[in-house]
Amino acid sequence: EVQLVESGGGLVQPGGSLRLSCAASGFTFSSYDMHWVRQATGKGLEWVSAIGTAGDPYYPGSVKGRFTISRENAKNSLYLQMNSLRAGDTAVYYCARGAVAADAFDIWGQGTMVTVSS
Amino acid sequence: SYELTQPLSVSVALGQTARITCGGNNIGSKNVHWYQQKPGQAPVLVIYRDSNRPSGIPERFSGSNSGNTATLTISRAQAGDEADYYCQVWDSLYVFGTGTKVTVL
Repeated sequence: EVQLVESGGGLVQPGGSLRLSCAASGFTFSSYDMHWVRQATGKGLEWVSAIGTAGDPYYPGSVKGRFTISRENAKNSLYLQMNSLRAGDTAVYYCARGAVAADAFDIWGQGTMVTVSS
Repeated sequence: SYELTQPLSVSVALGQTARITCGGNNIGSKNVHWYQQKPGQAPVLVIYRDSNRPSGIPERFSGSNSGNTATLTISRAQAGDEADYYCQVWDSLYVFGTGTKVTVL
């Protein structure tokens, strides 16, 4: 079964750091682009970062310079290092697989909650 | 930055057809993808590249895209189709629509 399982969420103070992990199974992880997408409570979806099969990262302006995406193919794992966290970063963070031949997300994890608050 | 506009809500009678629109400047020139998200769950891809269904998605779900509007159509709506639906495109970054809550009456 194709599966993505996130972990590492929690409560962190403004200005703090957190590292999210995503464990992939059921597919050849190294062959796919991978992404992080977040959703604040009661709000819509926001793409946070992507990493290509060659390890090339991409970010929107809202997190560039604060977030770092990485992958470890030998462990079938995706990571998101989040620094200088703000209240506006509070959200459920989803790990998602990039669809082949389409700029879409075809498999999603169940999400992990990140709360930035003092 | 590119924006995608969706109606806040759409209501449909049980067994009837629901149409959810996604508006964007010349969106017809882009590939549009649609996601279904039920309360407390992760999104699920239901349509990719305008009109293609992933395996396991019922034929009742279809899509079209032309001009400034893309449309997700749900035929023979069922109670289980109640959910939030989001459109999404690539425009130098990944952009999601504002989301539409579908209610089946």
